[in-house]
Amino acid sequence: DAGVIQSPRHEVTEMGQEVTLRCKPISGHNSLFWYRQTMMRGLELLIYFNNNVPIDDSGMPEDRFSAKMPNASFSTLKIQPSEPRDSAVYFCASHGREVAFFGQGTRLTVV
Amino acid sequence: GNSVTQMEGPVTLSEEAFLTINCTYTATGYPSLFWYVQYPGEGLQLLLKATKADDKGSNKGFEATYRKETTSFHLEKGSVQVSDSAVYFCALSDNQGGKLIFGQGTELSVKP
Repeated sequence: DAGVIQSPRHEVTEMGQEVTLRCKPISGHNSLFWYRQTMMRGLELLIYFNNNVPIDDSGMPEDRFSAKMPNASFSTLKIQPSEPRDSAVYFCASHGREVAFFGQGTRLTVV
Repeated sequence: GNSVTQMEGPVTLSEEAFLTINCTYTATGYPSLFWYVQYPGEGLQLLLKATKADDKGSNKGFEATYRKETTSFHLEKGSVQVSDSAVYFCALSDNQGGKLIFGQGTELSVKP
C-alpha cells in the first residue's frame, strides 16, 4: 500500500485565491482526518469523517474552510478565499485499528 | 475536555545519552495513548502505543508505560542516536471514531 497520499506537496498562492488540497486515504480505512500544523498553534484537528460522513468540524477555523469526502478514496480541503494566516502545513490522516497513518502533508504559503 | 501536555522543547542531548520526554493527560474514561514521531519534512508516524493501564508500548528502543494513577505516558530511551532527532508527539484517542488529541510536540536534537 502506498500509504496516505496528499497533493500537492507544496502550494504557493496569492491572497484571495481558492486553494484545494487533496487526500487519498489508505484503502479500507473508515476514518479520515484533516490537521493543520503551525509553529504557533502546533497540530490542530480541523475536521474528521467516518464512513465519508463529517463527524466533527468544530476545528474548522471559519467559513472560508470547507471539506468534502465524496467517496471512501478521496477527500478535499478547500480554502476560499485564502489569506496569509492560512499558511501552514496541512496533513491528512486515515485511521485503521486505532492507529492513524499520516500523509506527508501539503505546505501552503499564501502571499 | 480531553487534553495532552508535554514537556517543552527543544531537548538537546549527546549521542548515547538517556532520554525522557514527559507526557501527562486529562481524559474521561479509558483512552488509548500514543507516541508519534515526525522527522523533518515528513508526516507523523506511529512510534508506540498502549491501550490500557500498566501496558508498556515499545519500539526502536523507545518505551512508554501507561500510568493511570499519575495520568502519564512518559517516553524513554536508554541511548539516543543522532538519527532520533525529530519532533515527538504524545496523543490520546477517545476511542470514539478514532479522534486523536495531540500534545504540542517536543523537539529532540541529538548531537554526535
